[in-house]
Amino acid sequence: DAGVIQSPRHEVTEMGQEVTLRCKPISGHNSLFWYRQTMMRGLELLIYFNNNVPIDDSGMPEDRFSAKMPNASFSTLKIQPSEPRDSAVYFCASTLGQNNEQFFGPGTRLTVL
Amino acid sequence: AQSVTQPDIHITVSEGASLELRCNYSYGATPYLFWYVQSPGQGLQLLLKYFSGDTLVQGIKGFEAEFKRSQSSFNLRKPSVHWSDAAEYFCAVGPPGFQKLVFGTGTRLLVSP
Repeated sequence: DAGVIQSPRHEVTEMGQEVTLRCKPISGHNSLFWYRQTMMRGLELLIYFNNNVPIDDSGMPEDRFSAKMPNASFSTLKIQPSEPRDSAVYFCASTLGQNNEQFFGPGTRLTVL
Repeated sequence: AQSVTQPDIHITVSEGASLELRCNYSYGATPYLFWYVQSPGQGLQLLLKYFSGDTLVQGIKGFEAEFKRSQSSFNLRKPSVHWSDAAEYFCAVGPPGFQKLVFGTGTRLLVSP
């Protein structure tokens, strides 16, 4: 099993640019989560999907952030326009069913200059 | 609202010594409880989880945790720490039947020779 796959692993961009983070969940998992980790705020849930449908996006910081899950094997998190305060590590996680283990990807380290 | 408190930001333990990491939660009923570990540059890995039943839970890598309802605690323990245990440890809580987890701020474990 390849585990949760995230790309890119590192992204450096300039303020104002669009950033797209990608995630491939574990095959067969039906829930997908996007988290952001910073030193100041720790690990925050941004949004999660069940069966490709967004269930709770209350953690999305503002309209500059958007997430999609067009099918069961792919999700994107987009930031447009990006700002320096968006610099963080973004994790994707997936799980099967309720209350089971969330499997985390290796994360994407985003730096916005 | 549910919350998780990990009162220790950093802990240093000598190799071979015992370890206890503290976790207190706030929730109106018995939640689902988790401990995750994050090695540098990696995603989070589940160590153990508690849903119901025996309050002493065994996990991977020789870790265990005890759920104490009266103290709203779910402390993580290991009888003998190895240098490879140096990492950041996160406690998380989620209500039964629901997938959204709330994570604590983490405890960074340092292991001295």
